[in-house]
Amino acid sequence: SQKIEQNSEALNIQEGKTATLTCNYTNYSPAYLQWYRQDPGRGPVFLLLIRENEKEKRKERLKVTFDTTLKQSLFHITASQPADSATYLCALTSGTYKYIFGTGTRLKVLA
Amino acid sequence: ETGVTQTPRHLVMGMTNKKSLKCEQHLGHNAMYWYKQSAKKPLELMFVYSLEERVENNSVPSRFSPECPNSSHLFLHLHTLQPEDSALYLCASSQVAGRGADTQYFGPGTRLTVL
Repeated sequence: SQKIEQNSEALNIQEGKTATLTCNYTNYSPAYLQWYRQDPGRGPVFLLLIRENEKEKRKERLKVTFDTTLKQSLFHITASQPADSATYLCALTSGTYKYIFGTGTRLKVLA
Repeated sequence: ETGVTQTPRHLVMGMTNKKSLKCEQHLGHNAMYWYKQSAKKPLELMFVYSLEERVENNSVPSRFSPECPNSSHLFLHLHTLQPEDSALYLCASSQVAGRGADTQYFGPGTRLTVL
């Protein structure tokens, strides 16, 4: 069955460092991969989308890579800040109605 | 009000109760979704509506009954739920259903507790 794994349930890093989150998938060939941020008690908020034919996408301090050979996406936050502390979700879709989400990685940036 | 709103934000109900969750989107989108989010589990897609027509039903128990009277409103009717149905129920919308490049806009969710 289709499965997404996000590297760790929780990740603590020091302020100013680069946070790297991993999303691995199996038994799936997504056309699109999206990253969302979710704060406690809130719904997910869209951050970035990358297509299967794109290797890298950037937005301000955020960078996403997509390797369809490794079946992996990496999500980087550079110069991390305590305000970046949240749960980050990756989601895959092949363009059908179905979005498949990972369980998320809870990032904590320590001041 | 902008974005996607959900009411109520919190709901406690007994197993024999009947209740409804409401979602409203103010974005002019054509697609609406219901998701279930349980602790330590990924978001589970429950239902998808495109222009008020249900296009996806992910093997959801019949005790959950969706309704989409128009493209701006979505309901989830609940009856005879089980304690394991306790979760955060999220509503989302997107411009078009089935277009993977579309962003999904989520509401804040309804925290449901079934006693």
